[in-house]
Amino acid sequence: QVQLQGSGPGLVKPSETLSLTCTVSGGSLSSYYWSWVRQPPGKGLEWIGYIYYSGGTDYNPSLKSRVTISIDTSKNQFSLKLSSVTAADTAVYYCARVVAVPALGYYYYFMDVWGQGTTVTVSS
Amino acid sequence: EIVLTQSPGTLSLSPGERATLSCRASHSVSSSYLVWYQQKPGQAPRLLIYGASTRATGIPDRFSGSGSGTDFTLTISRLEPEDFAVYYCQQYGSTPNTFGQGTKLEMK
Repeated sequence: QVQLQGSGPGLVKPSETLSLTCTVSGGSLSSYYWSWVRQPPGKGLEWIGYIYYSGGTDYNPSLKSRVTISIDTSKNQFSLKLSSVTAADTAVYYCARVVAVPALGYYYYFMDVWGQGTTVTVSS
Repeated sequence: EIVLTQSPGTLSLSPGERATLSCRASHSVSSSYLVWYQQKPGQAPRLLIYGASTRATGIPDRFSGSGSGTDFTLTISRLEPEDFAVYYCQQYGSTPNTFGQGTKLEMK
């Protein structure tokens, strides 16, 4: 079955760029959206954004000026870059697959497969 | 931005009891765009319910979802020990695809 594996540095300095990659195994990127969600320590979930396999993106407006999500179909990977990080960006970062299921005139959307989470600490 | 408010913040119940968790939206959300997840400590969230009321593959039938417009409910009919966790609702109706703040279901 499809598995997602996130990877990247666990420690990033303030003002630098956080870079994470999610590798998809057991399936293709095609026909799905691919998303990033984060969770600060002891807090709830925050949606960061997603990318469609063909390259279209949508970002959380609160992060939009600092976020870039990209996709590399040749490597079956998608990536997150978050610039100018501060301590407030310290979190577990999850990658996830978003499914769009057609129904009668609309779509169901949901995240059905998640990576294990990558802990990122912003500190000097 | 659609704000999702979950209540209660913490729910203390015993195995075998019924749990009712609420998710209230600041603006109307199509039921097709309302999702529930379960998260246990140290784990990624797990999909439970999509389309407000459709159980995901492999989810036991003691979990059910209902609601429309601005009021949605997740019900667990008879709590099992493995059901004690944090539950989040999420909406896909508009950007950003916001989550509720979560309800912690703890064992009494």
